[in-house]
Amino acid sequence: KAGVTQTPRYLIKTRGQQVTLSCSPISGHRSVSWYQQTPGQGLQFLFEYFSETQRNKGNFPGRFSGRQFSNSRSEMNVSTLELGDSALYLCASSDGLRTDTQYFGPGTRLTVL
Amino acid sequence: GEDVEQSLFLSVREGDSSVINCTYTDSSSTYLYWYKQEPGAGLQLLTYIFSNMDMKQDQRLTVLLNKKDKHLSLRIADTQTGDSAIYFCAVHTGTASKLTFGTGTRLQVTL
Repeated sequence: KAGVTQTPRYLIKTRGQQVTLSCSPISGHRSVSWYQQTPGQGLQFLFEYFSETQRNKGNFPGRFSGRQFSNSRSEMNVSTLELGDSALYLCASSDGLRTDTQYFGPGTRLTVL
Repeated sequence: GEDVEQSLFLSVREGDSSVINCTYTDSSSTYLYWYKQEPGAGLQLLTYIFSNMDMKQDQRLTVLLNKKDKHLSLRIADTQTGDSAIYFCAVHTGTASKLTFGTGTRLQVTL
């Protein structure tokens, strides 16, 4: 099976812009979770989508949003970018059931100037 | 909420065993995971253990779980230079797909 793919791998944006990141899960997986990784805060949970519905949400401002499509692909959007949004954004795929083992993609490195 | 802690750094010689430790706070944690991250890469799932198990062995990896002390460890036998990376402990609690991660332990393997 192909692994989790994320596009783009690298992005450079300026403050105030908005950005959309994409994640394609492992075939057959219905859950996609997003995490932000920074040197200062470590790995933090953003939100999770399961069968096109947001099932869980972390403590991030409303500028961070996401959605999931019927083919389980997910997008994450960040509006009005701030310097502190510079991070590695990781997407994880799972079957969303009890064992729920999460498999991560390579991440999108976002730099905000 | 859940809190997961790890030591920041571990240095071992090639061929020795490495033991990376993790403590967590939520006793209702169901699955506990170990991930590996190499520079510039995502997280690679190494192994996991269910909370009703004490130990799990997978080739060079041994996971020990002490539920009473809420302590998880990862032992890597015959550590190689290719094992140099950051190792994250992650805890899954409840029904939603949310993992709480430790700060990561940087493993340095020296010759």
